[in-house]
Order: sequence, then C-alpha cells, then structure tokens
Amino acid sequence: GAVVSQHPSWVICKSGTSVKIECRSLDFQATTMFWYRQFPKQSLMLMATSNEGSKATYEQGVEKDKFLINHASLTLSTLTVTSAHPEDSSFYICSARGDRETYEQYFGPGTRLTVT
Amino acid sequence: GQNIDQPTEMTATEGAIVQINCTYQTSGFNGLFWYQQHAGEAPTFLSYNVLDGLEEKGRFSSFLSRSKGYSYLLLKELQMKDSASYLCAAMDSNYQLIWGAGTKLIIKP
Repeated sequence: GAVVSQHPSWVICKSGTSVKIECRSLDFQATTMFWYRQFPKQSLMLMATSNEGSKATYEQGVEKDKFLINHASLTLSTLTVTSAHPEDSSFYICSARGDRETYEQYFGPGTRLTVT
Repeated sequence: GQNIDQPTEMTATEGAIVQINCTYQTSGFNGLFWYQQHAGEAPTFLSYNVLDGLEEKGRFSSFLSRSKGYSYLLLKELQMKDSASYLCAAMDSNYQLIWGAGTKLIIKP
C-alpha cells in the first residue's frame, strides 16, 4: 500500500522559534498533499492543500505567512510553523493523494508539536 | 453550508455488532470515506463509497444512500482493538474532504 512518512514525529520548541515538518510519499508520486491540524478530542481541520510546483491553497482563517508550505517535488511537502506560540501546540498530520481515480488520502503518522 | 453529523460517542460489547451513522450535506458529492483513528495516531482508511449500497470488507461494511445523504459503518464481531474514533468524511465537488467530528467507539469486555 501507499506509505507516507512524517518527520519529526514529535518536537518541542520555544516560543518565537520556527519548526519545519516534512511529509514524504515513499512509494508513490503525490500530486496533491494536504496539511491538517488536530486539537485533542477534536476532528481534523484542513489547513491547506498543496500541489507540486504551485502555491498552496490555504483554508479560511489559516495564516499563510505563519504556516509556510512548500511542495517542491512529487514526494515531498514541508510545513514550517514560523514564530511558534503555545497556541500552535497541536497534532499536525499530512496526507497525500496520488491516483485521482480513487481519491483516497494516505495519511502520515503525524507530528506532535509542543511550544513552550 | 457543508456539514457532517455523526454521534460523538458509542459503547458496545466485545463480540457484538455496532452501526455508526453519518449524515452529510455538501456542495456536490464525490464519495464518502470512513477512517479509523486510534488515540494519538493518524487516521487509517477503512472504506470509500460513491454508489448507493453496501460494501463489505471483512468485519467492516459501509453503506451509502446518496438520496438521503446518509451513510453508516457496520462493525461485526467487535474486538477490543476496535476501540477508536471513526471519522466520516464526504468529498465535495472540488474533491475536498469535509470531515465529521468523529465517533469515539468504546468496546467493553
């Protein structure tokens, strides 16, 4: 099956610093990648959709200058949380979609970010 | 607006059957997904329905009625490891997934 990896799996950073999260599709080419955020006991919240080689499309209320997304290749997308604050602490999950006929999104294992 | 409704929490007994319902309202419709999510982990794919009817896959089955905007996930022969949140997601006309809040399923011995 399709495998998506995320790195790091967890990270603790100080307020004001930036954190980069990588999302890789290991055995397929991901034309579209999605970034989600999930707070405890809540559902997934889509932050942005990125297509390889083009700018990401951000959901309403998500600051594009704070959450920088780069989808430089068909197997790699990165999310950088800039000037992180404690309220940015959350579970960040990426997913990738390759074969458009199935529309299935394959999820990475998630990254737990804690900002102190 | 777009909306997905599913129960917040359900409890069932090991070995029994449980049905988790989901109703949806979306701008256009390109299918309905069910995902399983264990605490602290990412969701894993369970099923995809785009046509009316029942899709059976082992102990899990998923049903869709497009005219009613309704789906359910049926879990048979429940095992303790089935304790998880089950997420319903409908794909709209832009192929975006609209997610429900998830149903936490608690399995008791």
